[in-house]
Amino acid sequence: DGGITQSPKYLFRKEGQNVTLSCEQNLNHDAMYWYRQDPGQGLRLIYYSQIVNDFQKGDIAEGYSVSREKKESFPLTVTSAQKNPTAFYLCASSTTGVNEQFFGPGTRLTVL
Amino acid sequence: RKEVEQDPGPFNVPEGATVAFNCTYSNSASQSFFWYRQDCRKEPKLLMSVYSSGNEDGRFTAQLNRASQYISLLIRDSKLSDSATYLCGHASNAGNMLTFGGGTRLMVKP
Repeated sequence: DGGITQSPKYLFRKEGQNVTLSCEQNLNHDAMYWYRQDPGQGLRLIYYSQIVNDFQKGDIAEGYSVSREKKESFPLTVTSAQKNPTAFYLCASSTTGVNEQFFGPGTRLTVL
Repeated sequence: RKEVEQDPGPFNVPEGATVAFNCTYSNSASQSFFWYRQDCRKEPKLLMSVYSSGNEDGRFTAQLNRASQYISLLIRDSKLSDSATYLCGHASNAGNMLTFGGGTRLMVKP
């Protein structure tokens, strides 16, 4: 089945720890995105990548880092510099030039 | 003013009713628009794309008003299963980037 997978589904972290969220897609999409969603809020763009080995900051990149070494994979690291990391993290992908984005099932991160 | 704004609701409607909600946008260069449906604690799923004046898919109709800079979503014959949050997103000329509104929550009651 083609789609986007994210792991883990739930993640608990102690303050001061870095954690990495996985996002993989087998849709052959060039572009990938990371969003953050807080309760009752819309989606805010953290980082995006339109091609392998290249990525750009979104609206709320501070405290996050990404890599894009393979077309299929776009992992997000939440660093200890992110002051309020508890949120629902969504990864999405799209074909270049087409705006429809398709989302993975999300990772719910809780900082203890 | 936020780039994309939606009434958070909730919109409480009885089964079978017709309901409409709007999404206003501030960027007049916006080229395309999208409605996503998001169930509680799940990912958004694409409901409808709008590239011109509107789009229709079964009970769902999206209409774009470029002069007033809003896009509406009309749901006819509401079902209990339509209860969800509806997110509006738009893309400007800046490539694939979408900007989303905060979502409108719909609750359809028996």
